[in-house]
Amino acid sequence: GENVEQHPSTLSVQEGDSAVIKCTYSDSASNYFPWYKQELGKRPQLIIDIRSNVGEKKDQRIAVTLNKTAKHFSLHITETQPEDSAVYFCAASPSGAGSYQLTFGKGTKLSVIP
Amino acid sequence: GAVVSQHPSRVICKSGTSVKIECRSLDFQATTMFWYRQFPKQSLMLMATSNEGSKATYEQGVEKDKFLINHASLTLSTLTVTSAHPEDSSFYICSWGKQFFGPGTRLTVL
Repeated sequence: GENVEQHPSTLSVQEGDSAVIKCTYSDSASNYFPWYKQELGKRPQLIIDIRSNVGEKKDQRIAVTLNKTAKHFSLHITETQPEDSAVYFCAASPSGAGSYQLTFGKGTKLSVIP
Repeated sequence: GAVVSQHPSRVICKSGTSVKIECRSLDFQATTMFWYRQFPKQSLMLMATSNEGSKATYEQGVEKDKFLINHASLTLSTLTVTSAHPEDSSFYICSWGKQFFGPGTRLTVL
């Protein structure tokens, strides 16, 4: 089955700096890679996603890059703000527009220091 | 966006009892949904995939007789934790698709 590795497990940045979280996956059949933000005790919130036919996607301060050959993808947050502090999870799925069975990384706790 | 509700949000029960968790989609229908379990400070782990009208598919290591899933309609799925033990204490989350997660149920077994 799929195995998703995520690094780092914790990340502290100064407000305004950039944060980068990296993930690798093992199953070449995976073609959908979402990122989630989860605040304590809350449900995961989809913040950005990318499919295997795209190398990069950006949405305001958030961007995701995908290297399908190397089987890794990264989340980039620029101009970080205190409200970006949360746990971020990457995930991988072999599904297209179908059922979205997700394998999650272990998570990165991001702390943005004011 | 679509809304998914989950009930109850928190439950405390005694060891050996059974607990039913409901996951309901309020404004859309879907044939497939997922149940995840999240232990404190850990990731979401897929427990099972259920399809409306058929038996659920369980992930390796998840006991199907302990975690009963009923997906009787396109808008309702239930997870019953039978004979609960303290090690079953966790955060249980349902998911309909890539972004429609339930708010989760915090189960504490004493």
